[in-house]
Amino acid sequence: GAVVSQHPSRVICKSGTSVKIECRSLDFQATTMFWYRQFPKQSLMLMATSNEGSKATYEQGVEKDKFLINHASLTLSTLTVTSAHPEDSSFYICSARAPIHLTRLQETQYFGPGTRLLVL
Amino acid sequence: DQQVKQNSPSLSVQEGRISILNCDYTNSMFDYFLWYKKYPAEGPTFLISISSIKDKNEDGRFTVFLNKSAKHLSLHIVPSQPGDSAVYFCAASVRAGGTSYGKLTFGQGTILTVHP
Repeated sequence: GAVVSQHPSRVICKSGTSVKIECRSLDFQATTMFWYRQFPKQSLMLMATSNEGSKATYEQGVEKDKFLINHASLTLSTLTVTSAHPEDSSFYICSARAPIHLTRLQETQYFGPGTRLLVL
Repeated sequence: DQQVKQNSPSLSVQEGRISILNCDYTNSMFDYFLWYKKYPAEGPTFLISISSIKDKNEDGRFTVFLNKSAKHLSLHIVPSQPGDSAVYFCAASVRAGGTSYGKLTFGQGTILTVHP
């Protein structure tokens, strides 16, 4: 099966600092990865689409200068929350579009385990 | 604007019975639908999907039904097991290409509890 990892799983930081979250596809190459954010008891909201070797595409209302995305290789995408503030505290989840041969012909995305960010 | 809606926040079912989770959507451009299962503090796990050219897809205990005219889909789990207890999200996407390709729009989720 396809595995996506995220690191760190949990991070606590002071207001004003920057936090980097890594998303890796462990056993397949992913030209496209996605970053989501989930508030408590709410749905997953897509923040941006990360394409290997090109600029990320951000959803409306997501500040690209605050949430920096880099997809430098086919197995790694990073999300950096710059100058984090308490309102940035959330659960961040990445996903990678899986090759069709790994998913029994059902196109899907595989999700990482998520990163809990708490900004004090 | 919630394009994908799961109107039941929770569902409780007895072990061995059928669980039916519902999902409605408003965007007629959606042509591919997925169901995910999620435990707290974990990422969603893919369960089953269906293309808009079909009205049913079955995989083991899981069956997804799609009613395009009603813009409604449902996930049936038979028989339900205690291990199925989790939050279930439906998601929709546009596979027809263009800038929206691959982007998933999620519903709010339904908490399923299966009692022994």
